[in-house]
Amino acid sequence: SQQGEEDPQALSIQEGENATMNCSYKTSINNLQWYRQNSGRGLVHLILIRSNEREKHSGRLRVTLDTSKKSSSLLITASRAADTASYFCATGVYGNNRLAFGKGNQVVVIP
Amino acid sequence: DGGITQSPKYLFRKEGQNVTLSCEQNLNHDAMYWYRQDPGQGLRLIYYSQIVNDFQKGDIAEGYSVSREKKESFPLTVTSAQKNPTAFYLCASSPLAGVNNEQFFGPGTRLTVL
Repeated sequence: SQQGEEDPQALSIQEGENATMNCSYKTSINNLQWYRQNSGRGLVHLILIRSNEREKHSGRLRVTLDTSKKSSSLLITASRAADTASYFCATGVYGNNRLAFGKGNQVVVIP
Repeated sequence: DGGITQSPKYLFRKEGQNVTLSCEQNLNHDAMYWYRQDPGQGLRLIYYSQIVNDFQKGDIAEGYSVSREKKESFPLTVTSAQKNPTAFYLCASSPLAGVNNEQFFGPGTRLTVL
């Protein structure tokens, strides 16, 4: 079953701007992960945040998790043309050895 | 994509034919997964395997079959019973069959039914 659901709005921004996308889910989770997919390619893992964490950073990426609202956000700072991709959130649930992926959020960074 | 290979990259099939998609990993990972991706629908889990000689159905297993005879290999067969098989198929693996692990993806196989 699908748990993660990204904000369905596609995002088009200028290079250097920040990009923010959101993900909501329905049930209690063990962790939430973000992945990037370039067109026609496989997914690449970006960052994992556990249910007891509120914020995590990795390079230009900042992820927040609000378990009370069952939502997460991914912020990409100082975007680059190479950040153009689809971004997926995925949730891991206790006692379930699988991830549930959202539908993805397409980001276009204009040089 | 490093460590996981999928072949072929593009595959064409006539209606009524079975076809097998290959997935191989050299990461020594225990768990392997098959996903289907359609435009606007994200990834949907077809089958997954946590250990050799064992696998479980995902959300859309009908019309598909898998085997896990070796740790490094997890082939997916798309049978003629799959009514709408045209899609992008992604294979993934993770070190342990646990939800705390990131998954590593292959480059995908695009299947088109003619």
